[in-house]
Amino acid sequence: GAVVSQHPSWVICKSGTSVKIECRSLDFQATTMFWYRQFPKQSLMLMATSNEGSKATYEQGVEKDKFLINHASLTLSTLTVTSAHPEDSSFYICSAAPAGRRMNIQYFGAGTRLSVL
Amino acid sequence: QKEVEQDPGPLSVPEGAIVSLNCTYSNSAFQYFMWYRQYSRKGPELLMYTYSSGNKEDGRFTAQVDKSSKYISLFIRDSQPSDSATYLCAMKPGNTPLVFGKGTRLSVIA
Repeated sequence: GAVVSQHPSWVICKSGTSVKIECRSLDFQATTMFWYRQFPKQSLMLMATSNEGSKATYEQGVEKDKFLINHASLTLSTLTVTSAHPEDSSFYICSAAPAGRRMNIQYFGAGTRLSVL
Repeated sequence: QKEVEQDPGPLSVPEGAIVSLNCTYSNSAFQYFMWYRQYSRKGPELLMYTYSSGNKEDGRFTAQVDKSSKYISLFIRDSQPSDSATYLCAMKPGNTPLVFGKGTRLSVIA
């Protein structure tokens, strides 16, 4: 149980285009989802926290207009990188926390590798 | 001082060895402690979850939390080459995002 599916696993796009990444909790309802960014050989950097039906809370230094997060249902959150540029190339990982007594555990997706040309 | 300190390694051990991975932390409010395993270019996979102090065992893995010392450990017995990965400790006080260590890169040599 507690499977988080993230798509796509790898995307290549041209500079200036937008890219959408989906994160789904397959076998549980997630009241809270998190989006992380990870650079090579570094730990995860939290970008934003989203609660279903509410606006996302962004970490300091993360541009909310560039990284649009939508958490429209208890099983789906999306991250859209708008007008992507080469410096946005990175590994993006989503995480979901189940509702209920296991709410303090975070389960992670497999990640999305974004390459902006 | 960072909230969570973790030696990045790399740590290299022979197959069959017992591996000890550790993290220290400074925030006494942390109550939930987790260990994740991350293979290259994959998302973190939850290995162990502990609430408050104590030990927890799952197969070859044992997690220990010593809140008085603000120190947590993960032991891997009979290590295998497939255990080669980066191990991340993570913790939180409550309904807030996890705070991660930098991760320790482990190589188990056959």
